[in-house]
Amino acid sequence: KNQVEQSPQSLIILEGKNCTLQCNYTVSPFSNLRWYKQDTGRGPVSLTIMTFSENTKSNGRYTATLDADTKQSSLHITASQLSDSASYICVVSAGNKLVFGAGTILRVKS
Amino acid sequence: SQTIHQWPATLVQPVGSPLSLECTVEGTSNPNLYWYRQAAGRGLQLLFYSVGIGQISSEVPQNLSASRPQDRQFILSSKKLLLSDSGFYLCAWRGNGGVGELFFGEGSRLTVL
Repeated sequence: KNQVEQSPQSLIILEGKNCTLQCNYTVSPFSNLRWYKQDTGRGPVSLTIMTFSENTKSNGRYTATLDADTKQSSLHITASQLSDSASYICVVSAGNKLVFGAGTILRVKS
Repeated sequence: SQTIHQWPATLVQPVGSPLSLECTVEGTSNPNLYWYRQAAGRGLQLLFYSVGIGQISSEVPQNLSASRPQDRQFILSSKKLLLSDSGFYLCAWRGNGGVGELFFGEGSRLTVL
């Protein structure tokens, strides 16, 4: 069964601190993995895309990693800002089929 | 550039009333179109997708229906809303034959009272 599991379910950190969100998947055949950021009451927006051959990809303060052997991905946020407060969703593509994680809700406090 | 518009943004409807949520995409042709529902604290649930005009696939049985009267227009409807239809509805499109990036609209918050 194709599944994407994210952890933690929610996270509270202080502004300026770093954090790492996890995504484990059992999706076959694997095409790519995306991390989306969803602000409250808005539509998700893509942060990064990882293909099978990519291990690390950065987008500003966001760095995603992918271990295709263990089927794990992480999203690392450096020097968090209040605007990073959002839900972060891991989405794995299996051809034209998409499998969504339930998301991690991140709250950055001042 | 491509854009996706979804409306209305917020809707409060009584039980038993009809529903129509509309979504249009600009700047692309023959996109794959999707309707998702997002319940609080849960992942996105695919409701319908369409690969072309008049072609609708339903992922889960429910009280809702979808139509695609034009290439870049996707409509989510119900004849009689239920309390359980409350939620956050997202329209999305995907190009490249349905394997490209998924782009979402801004969402529609539906509250059924």
